[in-house]
Amino acid sequence: NAGVTQTPKFRVLKTGQSMTLLCAQDMNHEYMYWYRQDPGMGLRLIHYSVGEGTTAKGEVPDGYNVSRLKKQNFLLGLESAAPSQTSVYFCASSRVASNQPQHFGDGTRLSIL
Amino acid sequence: EDQVTQSPEALRLQEGESSSLNCSYTVSGLRGLFWYRQDPGKGPEFLFTLYSAGEEKEKERLKATLTKKESFLHITAPKPEDSATYLCAVLGTDSWGKLQFGAGTQVVVTP
Repeated sequence: NAGVTQTPKFRVLKTGQSMTLLCAQDMNHEYMYWYRQDPGMGLRLIHYSVGEGTTAKGEVPDGYNVSRLKKQNFLLGLESAAPSQTSVYFCASSRVASNQPQHFGDGTRLSIL
Repeated sequence: EDQVTQSPEALRLQEGESSSLNCSYTVSGLRGLFWYRQDPGKGPEFLFTLYSAGEEKEKERLKATLTKKESFLHITAPKPEDSATYLCAVLGTDSWGKLQFGAGTQVVVTP
């Protein structure tokens, strides 16, 4: 059972470079989320999507863009990477009802030099 | 604004030594409180959802309880494999789907 799969698992970028993180889920979930996790700060929501073709801003959206062209995929883009975006990024998905538990992938560890 | 505070930040236990983790929360109206377990290098793994004060859930050596202001995760007779970071998150009525996470409690259980 794959669940939520994130690629890549690790990446090192230089300041100003761009990249896209991919999240894929095979549970037919409507809702998908992108979080970042930094030491001592807990998980913070970047963007989320309530269905194919829809996206919305979370708590810390600046510097990131997202797209949900297919129900099973949710992409997170960094157009011009900054050292402050060094973090571990997690994708999650959940069923339609917003009080259903979110299921997480194993993360992408991103370092920006 | 929803807020979640977990304590202690870290907890070191001997195998078999029971203890409790605390999750204090402030939320406009609680739709759900979630507990997750996170192992190093992995994503959070869902454990429990609690919806109303007085509710309790159990899974193996873990038991979660909920009051109007806090939740406790009790670990009974822990084993080394219970070592992990435990995360608490709340969902408020004004927050649609957007969980507010605490910073977590890192638990280490030694043989």
